[in-house]
Amino acid sequence: NAGVTQTPKFRILKIGQSMTLQCTQDMNHNYMYWYRQDPGMGLKLIYYSVGAGITDKGEVPNGYNVSRSTTEDFPLRLELAAPSQTSVYFCASRPLRDRGLSSYEQYFGPGTRLTVT
Amino acid sequence: KQEVTQIPAALSVPEGENLVLNCSFTDSAIYNLQWFRQDPGKGLTSLLLIQSSQREQTSGRLNASLDKSSGRSTLYIAASQPGDSATYLCAVRPKYSGGGADGLTFGKGTHLIIQP
Repeated sequence: NAGVTQTPKFRILKIGQSMTLQCTQDMNHNYMYWYRQDPGMGLKLIYYSVGAGITDKGEVPNGYNVSRSTTEDFPLRLELAAPSQTSVYFCASRPLRDRGLSSYEQYFGPGTRLTVT
Repeated sequence: KQEVTQIPAALSVPEGENLVLNCSFTDSAIYNLQWFRQDPGKGLTSLLLIQSSQREQTSGRLNASLDKSSGRSTLYIAASQPGDSATYLCAVRPKYSGGGADGLTFGKGTHLIIQP
C-alpha cells in the first residue's frame, strides 16, 4: 500500500490564482481530512469527509472547497489564493472502525508546501 | 473549545538521557490522544495512540501515559539517540468540537534535539 499520497509537493501561486491540491489513499478508509500547518504552529482542520459524497467544515474552512466523489480521492480547492493561505497542507485518513487498539488512528500524507505571493 | 498545550517548546539533551515531553488539554471529554513525530519538511508519523479508557501505551523506547481527569499526557523517551531528533506533536480527538466533529486538535509541538 502507498498509504496517503499528496500532489504536488511544492507550489508557488500568485495572489488571486486558483489550484487544487490532490490527496489519494489506497487503504479503503472512509474518513479523510485536510489540515493546514502554519510555521511554529500545530495543525488545524480545514475540511473532513466521512465518506463519498459527504463533507463538512472544520475549524478554518474559509477560502477552501472540497469534494469527495470516490472513497480514494479528496481534493482541496483554493479559488482565490491569498498570502494568508501560505502554509503546509496535510491530508489524512482513517478507517471507519479498526479492530484492536489502533481504532481511530489517523494516517497522514507527506504534505504540500504552498506559498502565495 | 479544546486547547492543547505542549511544554517545553524546545529541548536539547545529550545522547543517552531519558526525557519526558508534556502535553495538556483543557477538556477531558476526548475519545483518544495521539503522539506524532514530524521530521523537517516531512509528514507526520504516528507513534502512539491512547484510548480514553487506557492509562498508557508502550512502543520500544517510547512510553506514553494519559491522565484524562487532569488533562495531561506525557511521552517518555528512554536512552535517547540522535535519530530521535524531531518535532513531537500531541493531538486529542475531542468528543465535542465546534469546528469539526471528527478532526484532531493539535498542540504546537516540542522541538527535540539530541546531541551526539
